[in-house]
Amino acid sequence: ETGVTQSPTHLIKTRGQQVTLRCSSQSGHNTVSWYQQALGQGPQFIFQYYREEENGRGNFPPRFSGLQFPNYSSELNVNALELDDSALYLCASTRGDRDFTGELFFGEGSRLTVL
Amino acid sequence: AQSVTQLGSHVSVSEGALVLLRCNYSSSVPPYLFWYVQYPNQGLQLLLKYTSAATLVKGINGFEAEFKKSETSFHLTKPSAHMSDAAEYFCAVSDPDTGFQKLVFGTGTRLLVSP
Repeated sequence: ETGVTQSPTHLIKTRGQQVTLRCSSQSGHNTVSWYQQALGQGPQFIFQYYREEENGRGNFPPRFSGLQFPNYSSELNVNALELDDSALYLCASTRGDRDFTGELFFGEGSRLTVL
Repeated sequence: AQSVTQLGSHVSVSEGALVLLRCNYSSSVPPYLFWYVQYPNQGLQLLLKYTSAATLVKGINGFEAEFKKSETSFHLTKPSAHMSDAAEYFCAVSDPDTGFQKLVFGTGTRLLVSP
């Protein structure tokens, strides 16, 4: 069984640029959520995608956007990067149906540095 | 809104000593509660979860937690610490009625284990 994989693992951008982070969900999972983990903080919920539609969003501005594809993989896009966007971005997958057990399966994250 | 408070950003114990990591939650409805562990440069891994069944929950690696509604607590314990337990631990809460699987995390507690 393949777990959640994310790419790239590390990247450096400058203020104002745009970035795309990618996530492949675990086999059998149809729901992907994204979290931002700033240094020394707990993960913060950005949004969730279920069957290719966004069905939940945290307190993040519209320049944070995403996609989910028919194979349930996902992208996180961030436009107009700011210094405070520097963080570890975590992708998590699960089964998004009534059998939800509350367990999210996390990837190892993409560490973004904005200079 | 749901929230989680973890008391103590760092906890130091000696190998073989009792581990106690504290978590208090705030929720307007019976919550789901979780403990996740994060090793350096890795994603989060579920240790254990409470989803309204038994109040004493056993997890992996010898950890357990007890849900105490009267104290709104979900403290994590392990009778005897191992060096390999050194990591960051996050308590999280989820509202099963939101319709999507959002977790609200605490700020984390770093467990340090000395020989």
